[in-house]
Amino acid sequence: GAVVSQHPSWVICKSGTSVKIECRSLDFQATTMFWYRQFPKQSLMLMATSNEGSKATYEQGVEKDKFLINHASLTLSTLTVTSAHPEDSSFYICSARPGPSRNSPLHFGNGTRLTVT
Amino acid sequence: SQQGEEDPQALSIQEGENATMNCSYKTSINNLQWYRQNSGRGLVHLILIRSNEREKHSGRLRVTLDTSKKSSSLLITASRAADTASYFCATDEAGTALIFGKGTTLSVSS
Repeated sequence: GAVVSQHPSWVICKSGTSVKIECRSLDFQATTMFWYRQFPKQSLMLMATSNEGSKATYEQGVEKDKFLINHASLTLSTLTVTSAHPEDSSFYICSARPGPSRNSPLHFGNGTRLTVT
Repeated sequence: SQQGEEDPQALSIQEGENATMNCSYKTSINNLQWYRQNSGRGLVHLILIRSNEREKHSGRLRVTLDTSKKSSSLLITASRAADTASYFCATDEAGTALIFGKGTTLSVSS
């Protein structure tokens, strides 16, 4: 149980275009989902916390107008990278936990490898 | 932001040997978790240890937590080639999100 599905697994886009990444909780409801970014050989950096039915909370230094997050239902959060540039090329990973308790693990999607040319 | 700092950054061992990774963090925590990541994939949860626990076991994994030193260690016993991956500690700093350390890349050769 507690499966998080992320789509697409990889995408190549041209500079200036927008890319949408979907994150779904398949067998549980998630009022909160988390988006991370990971550069090669580095750790995961929290980008934003996605809240169902309300605005996302962005970490310092993350542009909310560039990384649009929509959490329209209890099982789906989307991250749209707008006007992508080569420096946005990275591995984006979403996660969620089935339940409000902090004493439970996060379940991660398999990530999306974004390459901007 | 990053909370944890793991060491070593990279570790190479032979199959059958034990692997120990350490993690330090900066603020008070509710729990500390260890995750594994195979190259280019998402993370898999390994073990969670609460702030009032000192040691926890799961199969070949043993995790310790010293809140006075703000540190944790992950021991993998009798390692296998399939254990080759990156290992991250993560803490629940400031809310429900997890903040990850820099990770240890483990390479187990047969």
